[in-house]
Amino acid sequence: AQSVTQPDIHITVSEGASLELRCNYSYGATPYLFWYVQSPGQGLQLLLKYFSGDTLVQGIKGFEAEFKRSQSSFNLRKPSVHWSDAAEYFCAVFSGGYNKLIFGAGTRLAVHP
Amino acid sequence: GAGVSQSPSNKVTEKGKDVELRCDPISGHTALYWYRQSLGQGLEFLIYFQGNSAPDKSGLPSDRFSAERTGGSVSTLTIQRTQQEDSAVYLCASSLQGTPNTGELFFGEGSRLTVL
Repeated sequence: AQSVTQPDIHITVSEGASLELRCNYSYGATPYLFWYVQSPGQGLQLLLKYFSGDTLVQGIKGFEAEFKRSQSSFNLRKPSVHWSDAAEYFCAVFSGGYNKLIFGAGTRLAVHP
Repeated sequence: GAGVSQSPSNKVTEKGKDVELRCDPISGHTALYWYRQSLGQGLEFLIYFQGNSAPDKSGLPSDRFSAERTGGSVSTLTIQRTQQEDSAVYLCASSLQGTPNTGELFFGEGSRLTVL
């Protein structure tokens, strides 16, 4: 069955530091992969998505993610974190046969000044 | 509308009461999803609508949960005889089609349900 694992429940970084959030997926075919962000009291917003082609995808707010088939990973990165990036981040894989997104448990990011 | 609208934003109810949660998707979006987000948990899929049909309701946790969609638009999620474990944020999302090729799921801000 398709699944998504986000190994880090909480991450704390200093403002200006680099960030990498890990995501591993289990899916038989070429996956469609997404990263969403949920700020406190708000709905989920799409950061970026991977369908095919270039394995390094750029998103909004300066985020990028790299698809690595050999590692079944789709890690999210940002070179310099801002205090406003504090939020919860969800990785998701599209389950094509079932027409739904399967989400990981999320990683909560805290940013220290 | 401009985005996915959900109501109520907050609902407090007593154990055993029925509740209805409403979702108004983006106009023209044919696919509609309900997810549940419990404290400290990820997003749990509940049900998927394509038009007024629900080809996938595999995530509904019990027969106390039901959902309908009318006119290919508004959807209502009903929880009967609520239990404390039903306390969660219920998220609705819509997309133009039931595939990712046309873009992403657009989420509402959710309905927070608290069962006392």
